[in-house]
Amino acid sequence: DAGVTQSPTHLIKTRGQQVTLRCSPKSGHDTVSWYQQALGQGPQFIFQYYEEEERQRGNFPDRFSGHQFPNYSSELNVNALLLGDSALYLCASSLYGGDTDTQYFGPGTRLTVL
Amino acid sequence: AQSVTQPDIHITVSEGASLELRCNYSYGATPYLFWYVQSPGQGLQLLLKYFSGDTLVQGIKGFEAEFKRSQSSFNLRKPSVHWSDAAEYFCAVGARGGYQKVTFGIGTKLQVIP
Repeated sequence: DAGVTQSPTHLIKTRGQQVTLRCSPKSGHDTVSWYQQALGQGPQFIFQYYEEEERQRGNFPDRFSGHQFPNYSSELNVNALLLGDSALYLCASSLYGGDTDTQYFGPGTRLTVL
Repeated sequence: AQSVTQPDIHITVSEGASLELRCNYSYGATPYLFWYVQSPGQGLQLLLKYFSGDTLVQGIKGFEAEFKRSQSSFNLRKPSVHWSDAAEYFCAVGARGGYQKVTFGIGTKLQVIP
């Protein structure tokens, strides 16, 4: 049973650039959530996608956007990168209404902005 | 708004000693509660979860946690710590119903000494 996968593993960008991170949910899951984990901090909720729509959003600017595809995979896009966007980006998947909504996390993408 | 407090940023225990990691939450009703563990550079692994029923929850790797509504706490325990338990531990709270946003604490880094 494939777990949550994320690509790429690591990424280095410069300020002002744009980045796209990808996530494939655990088999059987239909909901994808994205989190940002800065160094020394707990994960912060960015947004959640279900049925190809953004359902909830945390306190992040519009530079952060996403997409969910019909196969439930998801992308996180960040525009106009800032140094402060350097973080580990975690994707979590779950089954809406199932198993009491437990989220399973991928290994993350480490983004470094120079 | 939901929130989580982990008062201990760093804990050091001797191998074989018992462990208790503290977690206090704020939520208007009975929440979903989780403990996750993160090894360096890795994603989050679910240790255990509480949704309802028995307030003492058993998890993987010999961990357990107890939900105490009167104290708004969900402390994690292990009777005998192994060197491989050294990692960062995150307590998290999720809202019941609908699209679930999970809020994490800042984490407790556990060091295990011989």
